Amino acid sequence: ELKVEQNPLFLSMQEGKNYTIYCNYSTTSDRLYWYRQDPGKSLESLFVLLSNGAVKQEGRLMASLDTKARLSTLHITAAVHDLSATYFCAGLSNFGNEKLTFGTGTRLTIIP
Amino acid sequence: KAGVTQTPRYLIKTRGQQVTLSCSPISGHRSVSWYQQTPGQGLQFLFEYFSETQRNKGNFPGRFSGRQFSNSRSEMNVSTLELGDSALYLCASSLVPWESLRPDTQYFGPGTRLTVL
Repeated sequence: ELKVEQNPLFLSMQEGKNYTIYCNYSTTSDRLYWYRQDPGKSLESLFVLLSNGAVKQEGRLMASLDTKARLSTLHITAAVHDLSATYFCAGLSNFGNEKLTFGTGTRLTIIP
Repeated sequence: KAGVTQTPRYLIKTRGQQVTLSCSPISGHRSVSWYQQTPGQGLQFLFEYFSETQRNKGNFPGRFSGRQFSNSRSEMNVSTLELGDSALYLCASSLVPWESLRPDTQYFGPGTRLTVL
């Protein structure tokens, strides 16, 4: 069964700094998703990564996928306060009954 | 265009009761997925429906069931509620199901906050 681990669980960083959130998964996964959730709000889809070496960027966020290492990263460049949220990664198991398995989430707080 | 809508937004029930939650996907979307979010277990997948058929199911007891109608609207039902069923239930819609070679972005609704007393 697919297991997804994220780290760190909590991240407090200053505006203008760069940082990376890591998402490790246990077995082969068809694809990797990244989501953002603001407090008390629903989930917003950020990226879908389909293949090894895939890289996607949107503004100050860049996601990448290394299927050989079973690792996806979400890199934040020059953080701004608006990026404060909880970020989730999720993998799609490609064995039989497909289902999304989510990581625990990383609560990101950007300090002015 | 209108987003995913979920009703009701908040619900309070007592143990042993049953509850039905509703989800209306974005117009044209035929795939609907349901998720449970709790502080202890995090986000967990419940089911996925496409064209009125349940395609995938998560690891939840049989008390959790769902269905999808011909207009793609979906309902989920929880019978014999337990305290541990208190959670935010999220619905997401997309044009195509996960197994599509061209996976689409999922759009999430605002959720239904269920409290079981």
